[in-house]
Amino acid sequence: QQQVKQSPQSLIVQKGGISIINCAYENTAFDYFPWYQQFPGKGPALLIAIRPDVSEKKEGRFTISFNKSAKQFSLHIMDSQPGDSATYFCAASNGNGANNLFFGTGTRLTVIP
Amino acid sequence: KAGVTQTPRYLIKTRGQQVTLSCSPISGHRSVSWYQQTPGQGLQFLFEYFSETQRNKGNFPGRFSGRQFSNSRSEMNVSTLELGDSALYLCASSSGHSGGAYEQFFGPGTRLTVL
Repeated sequence: QQQVKQSPQSLIVQKGGISIINCAYENTAFDYFPWYQQFPGKGPALLIAIRPDVSEKKEGRFTISFNKSAKQFSLHIMDSQPGDSATYFCAASNGNGANNLFFGTGTRLTVIP
Repeated sequence: KAGVTQTPRYLIKTRGQQVTLSCSPISGHRSVSWYQQTPGQGLQFLFEYFSETQRNKGNFPGRFSGRQFSNSRSEMNVSTLELGDSALYLCASSSGHSGGAYEQFFGPGTRLTVL
């Protein structure tokens, strides 16, 4: 059973546009929600993360929106650039000293010049 | 600070063999987690080691095992390899202090191909 559901599977955005990737979870014990970016042949790189005590977190062009009641969170990439073309994964963890991340299935983003 | 390093980067084995992968975490980090990445199953948690003890384990068969040394370096072993074990094996490093999950930083992975 997929603990974290991610959509869309793929996304094509024009340069300068906004990319939006959505994730949903069921386990209310999750308390840490990171997003990772992965380029071909590389390991995932931590982009930004949020905890459920805030509804939004922004770092540069990347913003996480978090809706605790709906058990959903999303990544917004503003002013998308061709260099942002990569696969993005959302994840969740339930802390308690455990470091196991449950990952979404990934979104392949292509930014067209 | 140097990042997470994994060796070897590529490995080709045949069914029935065993393999050992190595991971060196970021200096000062005491937690090492291992993940398997495949096109079909995505990223799946294998296990986590903290201060030489397995602290958490995913849902993988006993053929997958690991250990951590006093310098926090970790090794992962897969015995009796099957074709389905072909995957990218990723190691992630974090400070690992109790009280909640902390940022995990991934290495480049070891690409294992089982023939």
